[in-house]
Amino acid sequence: NAGVTQTPKFQVLKTGQSMTLQCAQDMNHNSMYWYRQDPGMGLRLIYYSASEGTTDKGEVPNGYNVSRLNKREFSLRLESAAPSQTSVYFCASKHRFNEKLFFGSGTQLSVL
Amino acid sequence: AQTVTQSQPEMSVQEAETVTLSCTYDTSENNYYLFWYKQPPSRQMILVIRQEAYKQQNATENRFSVNFQKAAKSFSLKISDSQLGDTAMYFCAFMKQGASNFGNEKLTFGTGTRLTIIP
Repeated sequence: NAGVTQTPKFQVLKTGQSMTLQCAQDMNHNSMYWYRQDPGMGLRLIYYSASEGTTDKGEVPNGYNVSRLNKREFSLRLESAAPSQTSVYFCASKHRFNEKLFFGSGTQLSVL
Repeated sequence: AQTVTQSQPEMSVQEAETVTLSCTYDTSENNYYLFWYKQPPSRQMILVIRQEAYKQQNATENRFSVNFQKAAKSFSLKISDSQLGDTAMYFCAFMKQGASNFGNEKLTFGTGTRLTIIP
């Protein structure tokens, strides 16, 4: 069972570059989430998708875009990376009728 | 909006001792879930224990138990017989219970407590 798979695991960007973080789940979950983790700040919600075809902003959406490509996949795009976006990014998913979130292993992103 | 506060950035305890991590939250909701997640150095997010607000009985999972005080909006985690493998960041988290299970429930995290178990 793969669960929630995130790629890449590590990435270094230069300021102004763009990239897409990929996330896929194989548990037939309806809801998917993107969080960022910064030292001393816990995990903060960037965007989420309650179901295929819908996306909504979380607490810190500025500088990011998302796409819910299908039920399995939810990608996070940085159009013009900034040093403030240096962080660890987590994708998560859950079933509609269950409160437990399943997390991916995270992406360490550094923007120089 | 809900907020979750963990006032202990770091804690340490001797192996085999008991340690309690504190968490308070603020919400106007009546139906919700509370969670403790563990994040070891591997960065993996591991669910330790969860509590449904409508249940008065405190949740327990082996060496882990909670003290849930709904009126005080307090949700502490007690780790008994602590082990070296318990060394990790611990996050308290809140989720409002969706009225119709639309799937848009969101998890709000505290800032975490870094727990070190000393051999």
